[in-house]
Amino acid sequence: EADIYQTPRYLVIGTGKKITLECSQTMGHDKMYWYQQDPGMELHLIHYSYGVNSTEKGDLSSESTVSRIRTEHFPLTLESARPSHTSQYLCASSEWGQGNYNEQFFGPGTRLTVL
Amino acid sequence: DAKTTQPTSMDCAEGRAANLPCNHSTISGNEYVYWYRQIHSQGPQYIIHGLKNNETNEMASLIITEDRKSSTLILPHATLRDTAVYYCIVSGTYKYIFGTGTRLKVLA
Repeated sequence: EADIYQTPRYLVIGTGKKITLECSQTMGHDKMYWYQQDPGMELHLIHYSYGVNSTEKGDLSSESTVSRIRTEHFPLTLESARPSHTSQYLCASSEWGQGNYNEQFFGPGTRLTVL
Repeated sequence: DAKTTQPTSMDCAEGRAANLPCNHSTISGNEYVYWYRQIHSQGPQYIIHGLKNNETNEMASLIITEDRKSSTLILPHATLRDTAVYYCIVSGTYKYIFGTGTRLKVLA
């Protein structure tokens, strides 16, 4: 059973607010990821981290930022939310396995609505 | 762009086997094939993975062709709860590239 948590599950907020989406995992995984998914569409990688103090941008450009100060915690921040940020945000983690095996474990997601 | 091609949607009768195909003609020798599913926009759930050999677990079977250019996920006895979007992912690194997946609808 994967132990990866996201809070809040749902967030409705006004334009211009600063928000932080939380993601935590208790599996000790080095690698963590943030994906963005619009309704009915595929997941797009927006940020990832190899480990503590490591963060990289993903394939889809995003105005959000991330930090990785602790292994288990990978928060995503939007300094000034806009309606275009309305989407679902999914967090995942993985541990490099034998060979190139890399099973990712996903959290339940945060559904963000910016009014 | 995703490295895989899947049909957009499929229907399957409850209790019958659901066979979901995936083409990955550009797969490299060190890349795994992973299958995930997503129910009602929840976080994707891991189903199974394979490298060269066919694989089976409590959820499904994965059949990979000898040339590794395509694979089939088999749900042996589909139930209504298997209705979901199924993603086939090919990856040899930390990164997954998701395609649009196959929307499987299991019919009563």
